[in-house]
Amino acid sequence: AQSVTQPDIHITVSEGASLELRCNYSYGATPYLFWYVQSPGQGLQLLLKYFSGDTLVQGIKGFEAEFKRSQSSFNLRKPSVHWSDAAEYFCAVGTTSGTYKYIFGTGTRLKVLA
Amino acid sequence: DAGITQSPRHKVTETGTPVTLRCHQTENHRYMYWYRQDPGHGLRLIHYSYGVKDTDKGEVSDGYSVSRSKTEDFLLTLESATSSQTSVYFCAITEVQGVGTEAFFGQGTRLTVV
Repeated sequence: AQSVTQPDIHITVSEGASLELRCNYSYGATPYLFWYVQSPGQGLQLLLKYFSGDTLVQGIKGFEAEFKRSQSSFNLRKPSVHWSDAAEYFCAVGTTSGTYKYIFGTGTRLKVLA
Repeated sequence: DAGITQSPRHKVTETGTPVTLRCHQTENHRYMYWYRQDPGHGLRLIHYSYGVKDTDKGEVSDGYSVSRSKTEDFLLTLESATSSQTSVYFCAITEVQGVGTEAFFGQGTRLTVV
């Protein structure tokens, strides 16, 4: 079955520190992978996506993610976190068998310490 | 920003009453989705549509029905609301123009069933 696992429910980092949010997926075919961010009371905004080519993808707000097929992972990174990055982050896989759907992980809530 | 409008944005209803949430898009996208967001569960797919009058169930469809009589509108109905359906509901759309197309989200509807 298709699934997405985000093992960290909460992460706290200090402003200026580096960040890595983990995402593992289970999908039989070539995955289309996404990271979204959600600020409190808001909808989801796309940070970046991967569907082919270079396994290191750049996104908005200084985020990047690396696709590792051998580990079924798509971890999100940022070299230096800003206080405004505090939000909830969701990893998702787009499924293409038949109709097109998005399967989301349970999310990681990021807290940034000043 | 994608033209997606959810209405109402907030609703309080009583157990046993029917409730209809509306998603309206101005993008003429083929696919529309209804998700619910709950703490610890991330976003879970309720129902989705891949064209007018073409709908299918997601992973948490019990107690919900949908209709899509026009490209731009996708309605979610709680036939007899229960307290377990208290949640934040998100509508999303995508066109699937090739591969790796992302979903665009509305601002959400917060539903409380008392």
